[in-house]
Amino acid sequence: KQEVTQIPAALSVPEGENLVLNCSFTDSAIYNLQWFRQDPGKGLTSLLLIQSSQREQTSGRLNASLDKSSGRSTLYIAASQPGDSATYLCAVSDGSSNTGKLIFGQGTTLQVKP
Amino acid sequence: KAGVTQTPRYLIKTRGQQVTLSCSPISGHRSVSWYQQTPGQGLQFLFEYFSETQRNKGNFPGRFSGRQFSNSRSEMNVSTLELGDSALYLCASSLAATTPGGAFFGQGTRLTVV
Repeated sequence: KQEVTQIPAALSVPEGENLVLNCSFTDSAIYNLQWFRQDPGKGLTSLLLIQSSQREQTSGRLNASLDKSSGRSTLYIAASQPGDSATYLCAVSDGSSNTGKLIFGQGTTLQVKP
Repeated sequence: KAGVTQTPRYLIKTRGQQVTLSCSPISGHRSVSWYQQTPGQGLQFLFEYFSETQRNKGNFPGRFSGRQFSNSRSEMNVSTLELGDSALYLCASSLAATTPGGAFFGQGTRLTVV
């Protein structure tokens, strides 16, 4: 059974810092991995999608890497801003069955202080 | 291009009642998945529909059901509501059941059972 773990559960940093969020999964048979952002009481906003054959994806100040063999992904946020404060969720798409089912981690709640 | 639309945004129901939530996917998307989000359990997969067929189902009681229409719009129904059903219900759409494009989420329906 696939399990996704995110560390740390919460993180507080001063504005301008570079930071790394971690995601690990127990079964390497994934189709893709997605990083989402969620603001309080809102839906999920897709940040980056990495296919199982890819190693990394970049969008602006965000960079996500994937090491499928070790079951790990990292989300790197450069020059953090107060507007980056949110919960970040990692999800893997189950590659062993032909469905779009996503399995989520518990998330990392990020606070960026001005 | 319109995003995923969920209605209603908020609902308050009494224990024992039933409720129907609606999700309109992004135009052209044929896969719709539903998730329940609670503070204690995080995001949990309910079920997925693709071309009006349920492709996968999570570990929820039979009180939770869904369907998809020919225009890909989906509804989920919860019967005999319990206090523990209070949650944010999120819908996600994607092009196909397993897609390189990833999943896109709506803003959710906040259900409160009193």
